[in-house]
Amino acid sequence: AQSVTQPDIHITVSEGASLELRCNYSYGATPYLFWYVQSPGQGLQLLLKYFSGDTLVQGIKGFEAEFKRSQSSFNLRKPSVHWSDAAEYFCAVAPSFSGGYNKLIFGAGTRLAVHP
Amino acid sequence: GAGVSQTPSNKVTEKGKYVELRCDPISGHTALYWYRQSLGQGPEFLIYFQGTGAADDSGLPNDRFFAVRPEGSVSTLKIQRTERGDSAVYLCASSSGLAGYTDTQYFGPGTRLTVL
Repeated sequence: AQSVTQPDIHITVSEGASLELRCNYSYGATPYLFWYVQSPGQGLQLLLKYFSGDTLVQGIKGFEAEFKRSQSSFNLRKPSVHWSDAAEYFCAVAPSFSGGYNKLIFGAGTRLAVHP
Repeated sequence: GAGVSQTPSNKVTEKGKYVELRCDPISGHTALYWYRQSLGQGPEFLIYFQGTGAADDSGLPNDRFFAVRPEGSVSTLKIQRTERGDSAVYLCASSSGLAGYTDTQYFGPGTRLTVL
């Protein structure tokens, strides 16, 4: 069965520092990969997604992620964090043979705190 | 335009009672998903609708859970004989249904269900 692991439950960074959130997946083939952000009182918002092609994908709000097949990873990065980035971040996968829709499988999330 | 809306935002009920949770998708979106997010966890897939039909209900935990979408727009998640373990945030998402697996799912803010 597919699964997603986000090893870091909480991360704290200083404003302006770089950020990397880790995500590892377990799946026999290359899945579709997603990063979502959840702010208090807000719905989940898609940051970026990977289906195929260039393994470095750019998303909204200055985020990027890199798919590494050899490591079964899809880590999220941002070069300079802003206080407004404080939120919970979820990595998700969907089976690549899903019949034309995405049954997302989410990790447990990483809560990001940003110090001024 | 309006996003995905869910009502109520909070629901408190007693063990054994029946509850209904409502989801209004983005206008024109034919695909609709329900997920459940327990405390400290990522969302878990419950059911997927394409139009009026439930195309994948493999995530419904048992037969106390049922969902409908009679006119292909609004959906209602129904839980009979609620149990304390049903306490969670129930999330709804919709997508256009036009782009298959590349569709973006847009999430609502969720309904927090508490079973006493």
